[in-house]
Amino acid sequence: DAGITQSPRHKVTETGTPVTLRCHQTENHRYMYWYRQDPGHGLRLIHYSYGVKDTDKGEVSDGYSVSRSKTEDFLLTLESATSSQTSVYFCAISVRQGEAYGYTFGSGTRLTVV
Amino acid sequence: KNEVEQSPQNLTAQEGEFITINCSYSVGISALHWLQQHPGGGIVSLFMLSSGKKKHGRLIATINIQEKHSSLHITASHPRDSAVYICAVVPSGGSNYKLTFGKGTLLTVNP
Repeated sequence: DAGITQSPRHKVTETGTPVTLRCHQTENHRYMYWYRQDPGHGLRLIHYSYGVKDTDKGEVSDGYSVSRSKTEDFLLTLESATSSQTSVYFCAISVRQGEAYGYTFGSGTRLTVV
Repeated sequence: KNEVEQSPQNLTAQEGEFITINCSYSVGISALHWLQQHPGGGIVSLFMLSSGKKKHGRLIATINIQEKHSSLHITASHPRDSAVYICAVVPSGGSNYKLTFGKGTLLTVNP
């Protein structure tokens, strides 16, 4: 099983402050993803990465930036947190399994913006 | 309209009952995933399907590519099966490593 850890697990922050969430994997997988999960919306892709310094936007990328300077770390930054970014954030990796890709998710980060 | 629709949204069952959760999608796909999320918990991958049927313990997943439909069955349900079950597809013809998710089915199994 791919070792994937997210930090922090919980965070409360004030509106307007910058916040960085970290996703760390131990097996040099190429593809990494950041999702947010909200009631009524399910999981939505924020940003993804297909290699070091190779990232692209997902469907809800406004207000978020990412960086991947090392294969093992994928950082999600909220430059100026807003209450609408209160959510549960999940990191994931995907690994090719035959013709398709299997996914492993991190344990999630619960972020509250007050 | 969401590309992936799950039904029912909520399901309550008694322990021992046979459970079926359905997933319909509107696009061509290369694979379909079933995921499980316990309350307040992380997300666990149960199955990845591109055709046919897969079984793991009391869980069975089937897919009909022509009808664009998949089902997740739980036999002899147990309270520990209470969770949100999420269907997700990988659309074909595009990036085959990006998922499109359904909104999930909340299953509650009472003792």
